[in-house]
Amino acid sequence: EVHLVESGGGLVQPGRSLRLSCAVSGFTFDEYAMYWVRQAPGKGLEWVSGISWNSGTLGYADSVKGRFTISRDNAKKSLSLQMDSLRAEDTALYYCAKDVSRSFGDAFDNWGQGTLVTVSS
Amino acid sequence: QSALTQPASVSGSPGQSITISCTGTSSDVGTYSLVSWYQQHPGKAPKLMIYEVNKRPSGVSSRVSGSKSGNTASLTISGLQAEDEADYYCCSYAGRSTLVFGGGTKLTVL
Repeated sequence: EVHLVESGGGLVQPGRSLRLSCAVSGFTFDEYAMYWVRQAPGKGLEWVSGISWNSGTLGYADSVKGRFTISRDNAKKSLSLQMDSLRAEDTALYYCAKDVSRSFGDAFDNWGQGTLVTVSS
Repeated sequence: QSALTQPASVSGSPGQSITISCTGTSSDVGTYSLVSWYQQHPGKAPKLMIYEVNKRPSGVSSRVSGSKSGNTASLTISGLQAEDEADYYCCSYAGRSTLVFGGGTKLTVL
């Protein structure tokens, strides 16, 4: 069974940094693209970032480009999101998600339960 | 990266069919057959319902179907049931290694 478990969320002041992690099990991690999707309280889903199986393709939403960095460690079966220069509008539940296929940009077939990031002074 | 356009809400009675539209542009929905749909119940993580426009993952009811015409994708749920009441989101690949979601549609089963 596929499991995705996010960690690293919390309360952080504007302008500071936070690093999210996602530990996975139940599938061959190094064969699939992985993503971060967020959901602000009471709002809809927003795609944040994605990374291909070999880290050769990286993608970012305009809203986070230049501030967030996605990475993965296939040996450790781990996905990360380094979030710098955080803003109040980054406050959201951050989900880790797996691609349904072996290509980039298809769909998200497995999701974690999310980790909450709150940016406030 | 403009969000795809979905109706804010749709409703239907048990047993009826509903369709949710998802309108994008020639830069996303109109060009790529990488449209997916997600169901989200309150307090829960989203669940994949349709991918690549019209493919159903294992375990998703055959009452659910997807289609696309031009810049608009659609999700149809037939034989509405109480448990179908949820929020639904479309998503499309938008080129340059980016994806974009729709604003979401609240489905109410009357």
